[in-house]
Amino acid sequence: EAGVAQSPRYKIIEKRQSVAFWCNPISGHATLYWYQQILGQGPKLLIQFQNNGVVDDSQLPKDRFSAERLKGVDSTLKIQPAKLEDSAVYLCASSLDNRQGLETQYFGPGTRLLVL
Amino acid sequence: LAKTTQPISMDSYEGQEVNITCSHNNIATNDYITWYQQFPSQGPRFIIQGYKTKVTNEVASLFIPADRKSSTLSLPRVSLSDTAVYYCLVGDPSGGSYIPTFGRGTSLIVHP
Repeated sequence: EAGVAQSPRYKIIEKRQSVAFWCNPISGHATLYWYQQILGQGPKLLIQFQNNGVVDDSQLPKDRFSAERLKGVDSTLKIQPAKLEDSAVYLCASSLDNRQGLETQYFGPGTRLLVL
Repeated sequence: LAKTTQPISMDSYEGQEVNITCSHNNIATNDYITWYQQFPSQGPRFIIQGYKTKVTNEVASLFIPADRKSSTLSLPRVSLSDTAVYYCLVGDPSGGSYIPTFGRGTSLIVHP
């Protein structure tokens, strides 16, 4: 079974520039998550999709971050404009369906972003 | 949203059993307890999940007392490759307000 794919793996940009990350979840997984993980901290959920609908985006800084999951499969997370504090690893995860009270999230390798 | 508390770090030696305890005093009736493992430069990996009593799989055991206010992840006979950060999550994934919350986790270092 193929895992969660993310690209790019690394990205270096200057502050105020824009950047986009792509995620391809495991086939058939209805739920998709984007996390931000700052060095030394646990992953923080930014947004959660159920198919192509947003379940929760309460921790997404909406003035600069946006995400979409067209057709309920792939997803893109964008930052525009980037700030120094956005330097982090951005993790994508997917799960089969969390509506049965069980959760097994499968994580991708992440995209390491450095904002200079 | 149930808050979890874990030790920041633990040290052990190869071949020993390691027990990591997570406190979740305000766990709700429908909440499950889930543990993840994260190696450097990788995303977290699911280890085990439980609701009450004891759950065991090929990797670990999860002990949950009757009051469910804490849980203990048990790793039998650890090896160097078990050096990682371990996260405890509490919540009801089927609940409309569920937000997976990882916290800082427990950094386990296994020594030769």
